[in-house]
Amino acid sequence: QVQLVESGGGVVQPGRSLRLSCSASGFSFSSYAMHWVRQAPGMGLEWVALISYDGINSYYADSVKGRFTISRDNSQNILSLHMNNIRPEDTAVYYCVKDQRPLMFGGVLPDWGQGSLVTVSS
Amino acid sequence: SSELTQDPAVSVALGQTVRITCQGDSVRKYYANWYQQKPGQAPILVSYGQKSRPSGIPDRFSGSNSGNTASLTITGVQAEDEADYYCNSRDSSGNHLVFGGGTKLTVL
Repeated sequence: QVQLVESGGGVVQPGRSLRLSCSASGFSFSSYAMHWVRQAPGMGLEWVALISYDGINSYYADSVKGRFTISRDNSQNILSLHMNNIRPEDTAVYYCVKDQRPLMFGGVLPDWGQGSLVTVSS
Repeated sequence: SSELTQDPAVSVALGQTVRITCQGDSVRKYYANWYQQKPGQAPILVSYGQKSRPSGIPDRFSGSNSGNTASLTITGVQAEDEADYYCNSRDSSGNHLVFGGGTKLTVL
């Protein structure tokens, strides 16, 4: 059974940094592309970033490009999101999400964590 | 990147059929996928690709794609289907994902 458990959320001041982590289990983590998707309070879903199964390729939404970095440790089954120069509009629940297809990025997202809330406030 | 447009809200009587739509240029090239989200919960994939459903999803949920419009049809709506529904697909570059703004389904 796929399990994705996010951690690292909390209250952070604007301009500061924060690192989110996602511990994955129940599947071959090193074989799947992974995503971060966020949801601001009362708003819709927003795709944030994608990393390929091997960590070589990563892609970002324009809203976070240059500020956020997605990374993975396939030896520890951990996905991370390093958030720099955080802004109030980054306030959201951040979901760790597994792609459907092994060794490829298809964009079908069958497995989601429960999310980690990041609140940006001074 | 491209956008996916959904109606903000749709209502349907219990037991009837409802279609939720998602429009965008990327749907011409990539199939849309559909997610159900209830308050306080993570989204759940209910339909993907060309008319596929994950295991455990009732067959009253059916997705389709035509031109620049993707649709999620729920046949014989149940009270527990009341939720927000989001579509997504790859964008025109192929390397990003995009979500629709979501449709709030109310069951009357």
